[in-house]
Amino acid sequence: NAGVTQTPKFQVLKTGQSMTLQCAQDMNHNSMYWYRQDPGMGLRLIYYSASEGTTDKGEVPNGYNVSRLNKREFSLRLESAAPSQTSVYFCATTGDGRMGHFGQGTRLTVV
Amino acid sequence: GENVEQHPSTLSVQEGDSAVIKCTYSDSASNYFPWYKQELGKRPQLIIDIRSNVGEKKDQRIAVTLNKTAKHFSLHITETQPEDSAVYFCAASKAAGNKLTFGGGTRVLVKP
Repeated sequence: NAGVTQTPKFQVLKTGQSMTLQCAQDMNHNSMYWYRQDPGMGLRLIYYSASEGTTDKGEVPNGYNVSRLNKREFSLRLESAAPSQTSVYFCATTGDGRMGHFGQGTRLTVV
Repeated sequence: GENVEQHPSTLSVQEGDSAVIKCTYSDSASNYFPWYKQELGKRPQLIIDIRSNVGEKKDQRIAVTLNKTAKHFSLHITETQPEDSAVYFCAASKAAGNKLTFGGGTRVLVKP
């Protein structure tokens, strides 16, 4: 039982490159989220998916797209990376009525 | 949308003393208030949460209080230990399965 698994753990991109961050959960949870955390700050919601087949924008969606591929997987795509997207990205799920399951994070640097 | 403010941004306490972190929220419809502990380089870990139908909840050395009228909630850590040193985040949402809005975090340092 791995919980919430994110790949990759680290990534360096050049400005303008694209990439997809992967998130998979094995807890059979309906709701999945993508947050970003900038140094010394709280987490800000990028996108979320309340259930398979649905996605909604969060607080900071510009420059990102998401796909809820199935109940297990929720991916985040940067189409044209910018230095302002340098951050740590966390995937999370909600289960048992509690918002408590985070992946280990992806540290992304855009140069 | 919801706005969550958290104070103080840093907190230094002597081992064995208590630590209190306070958060205020703006949306009166919010009814789920979790707290997270994040150690350096690690993922946030849920440490305690409270729903609006409860005024206080305790779990060993940690307690959370909620004042819905004033729209603020607080985390209390008693008998602090060096391993309590971390960044703590409060958050609020309209339901546990709904999107969370986080506070800016409090860096807690427990001095031995």
